Amino acid sequence: KAGVTQTPRYLIKTRGQQVTLSCSPISGHRSVSWYQQTPGQGLQFLFEYFSETQRNKGNFPGRFSGRQFSNSRSEMNVSTLELGDSALYLCASSLVTSGNTGELFFGEGSRLTVL
Amino acid sequence: GENVEQHPSTLSVQEGDSAVIKCTYSDSASNYFPWYKQELGKGPQLIIDIRSNVGEKKDQRIAVTLNKTAKHFSLHITETQPEDSAVYFCAASGTGGFKTIFGAGTRLFVKA
Repeated sequence: KAGVTQTPRYLIKTRGQQVTLSCSPISGHRSVSWYQQTPGQGLQFLFEYFSETQRNKGNFPGRFSGRQFSNSRSEMNVSTLELGDSALYLCASSLVTSGNTGELFFGEGSRLTVL
Repeated sequence: GENVEQHPSTLSVQEGDSAVIKCTYSDSASNYFPWYKQELGKGPQLIIDIRSNVGEKKDQRIAVTLNKTAKHFSLHITETQPEDSAVYFCAASGTGGFKTIFGAGTRLFVKA
């Protein structure tokens, strides 16, 4: 069974640009969450999608947005990039069967560098 | 809002010794407490989890304890080995919340 796939793995952008990251969840998983990982800050929750609906959003500015498609694939977008947006962006999928959150399966991340 | 605090941020032990990582959470509605291990260049991977109706859970050399009254939970690794060296994250989530909040992580070094 294929794992969570994130593309691109590495990218370099300049301030003011925008970026789109893609995530393909494990087959059958309908929940996709996004996290920002920076040194010393752990994993900061960005948002979570289930069946094309955003169910939760973290404390990030409106420059960070996302969406989920009918095949459960998800994208996140960051507009007007700032130096502080440099980070590893992790996507995780989950098999949510009832109202309980379960195990998250992470991809290897997309490392964004903003110059 | 929800918050998970994790200590220590760095932990160095001798091979064969035990390692303990402690976390506290703020949201009393949390009922699921997973622990993830992240190796260099990889995404975090679940190593053990515990739900609020259980006080302790063990899987070979790792164990987790939960004190819901105090909102504390801990990870215990016994007989540590060099391959246990990694970053460990605690996390908390709850029914209906649909989001998992992570601690800041503990970098564990196991010296051979």
